[in-house]
Amino acid sequence: RKEVEQDPGPFNVPEGATVAFNCTYSNSASQSFFWYRQDCRKEPKLLMSVYSSGNEDGRFTAQLNRASQYISLLIRDSKLSDSATYLCAVNRVEYGNKLVFGAGTILRVKS
Amino acid sequence: EAGVAQSPRYKIIEKRQSVAFWCNPISGHATLYWYQQILGQGPKLLIQFQNNGVVDDSQLPKDRFSAERLKGVDSTLKIQPAKLEDSAVYLCASRLPRVNTEAFFGQGTRLTVV
Repeated sequence: RKEVEQDPGPFNVPEGATVAFNCTYSNSASQSFFWYRQDCRKEPKLLMSVYSSGNEDGRFTAQLNRASQYISLLIRDSKLSDSATYLCAVNRVEYGNKLVFGAGTILRVKS
Repeated sequence: EAGVAQSPRYKIIEKRQSVAFWCNPISGHATLYWYQQILGQGPKLLIQFQNNGVVDDSQLPKDRFSAERLKGVDSTLKIQPAKLEDSAVYLCASRLPRVNTEAFFGQGTRLTVV
């Protein structure tokens, strides 16, 4: 089983839609989590850190469920500019902050 | 603040040749990662440094790949000899050695092995 798993998609949604991605992780000792955004042929950039209480940044909401070992990203009122690959990352503190990424979920927002 | 610098941006080599990539992390970032990203996949961690020491290299194909960070700042990743399946983007990232800090990525080096 992969350490971090994501639904590859693609998710094809119309503008204004709400879309959610899940990411599951295999090691319960993982302590911190992130969502990165990667545009085509660009480097990944941090979208949000994921805190245990859940956190929101504008149209984006991240949630952590430690019992079920998954994190989620909710995007409300999707924009064309949200089209990208969304990468889930898990930080393994016990391995010196080893940062492991999932395969990414492709989002395409259409007008 | 200057970002993570990588060079070259692009490289085309023939199989069995050697190639080296260079990374200059953000000043003060003790943690440095090298990732391999094959088209359509997520970044795969090859090696992680803390200052000039290796923290994790469990997925580095050591028969052909090597990396160093001699003075705890710049790093180089070398492939010798290259195979066709090494065609990928090689990403360098750096961060402060704390739990919830952001990892910053360079623009990557796109390697094509023909």
